[in-house]
Amino acid sequence: AQKITQTQPGMFVQEKEAVTLDCTYDTSDQSYGLFWYKQPSSGEMIFLIYQGSYDEQNATEGRYSLNFQKARKSTNLVISASQLGDSAMYFCAMREGMNYGQNFVFGPGTRLSVLP
Amino acid sequence: DTAVSQTPKYLVTQMGNDKSIKCEQNLGHDTMYWYKQDSKKFLKIMFSYNNKELIINETVPNRFSPKSPDKAHLNLHINSLELGDSAVYFCASSQGQDDYNEQFFGPGTRLTVL
Repeated sequence: AQKITQTQPGMFVQEKEAVTLDCTYDTSDQSYGLFWYKQPSSGEMIFLIYQGSYDEQNATEGRYSLNFQKARKSTNLVISASQLGDSAMYFCAMREGMNYGQNFVFGPGTRLSVLP
Repeated sequence: DTAVSQTPKYLVTQMGNDKSIKCEQNLGHDTMYWYKQDSKKFLKIMFSYNNKELIINETVPNRFSPKSPDKAHLNLHINSLELGDSAVYFCASSQGQDDYNEQFFGPGTRLTVL
């Protein structure tokens, strides 16, 4: 079964508007971390933002924020005031922290296109 | 001041050849990883090393052999290359393996097998 689901293969947003990228996850662990990465067309993977399972507040990092709903097992990425440079693939990932050696699991990604 | 570096950036080779990809991190991290990203952009972990010891070995053909001479290096050697090995290979590192440890990625190596 897929541990990370990103249901939007592609999204479009007008420049300067906000956009939400969806991510749901599946785990039975109590302790886990959720991450978002950006992959522009140049190919590198850029870490954006992190949310811990015990964090009570939604994570924010500049124009990036997470809408973390633990009971629904979702951690949606909100990008405010979109810029042309935000056009990229966005990956949601999870690390389950209970077992030594647990690795990152990535979702299939969402391709975001920002329109001028 | 590159944090995680990989060489080469591009690798084009014939089927059946043996090739290596090198990875180095200067972050002082104790855990390193290799990922494969296929043409559909799906990222899948291949190996994880902690303090030079193999932690995770996903279902990867044994033609792929990682080697970690020290904590700062994790090289990937591939024998008898096949067409299906064409992909982008990412090296990454993290400090520890707790759930809050983010991974830092290298720039990727695009392998094309002809």
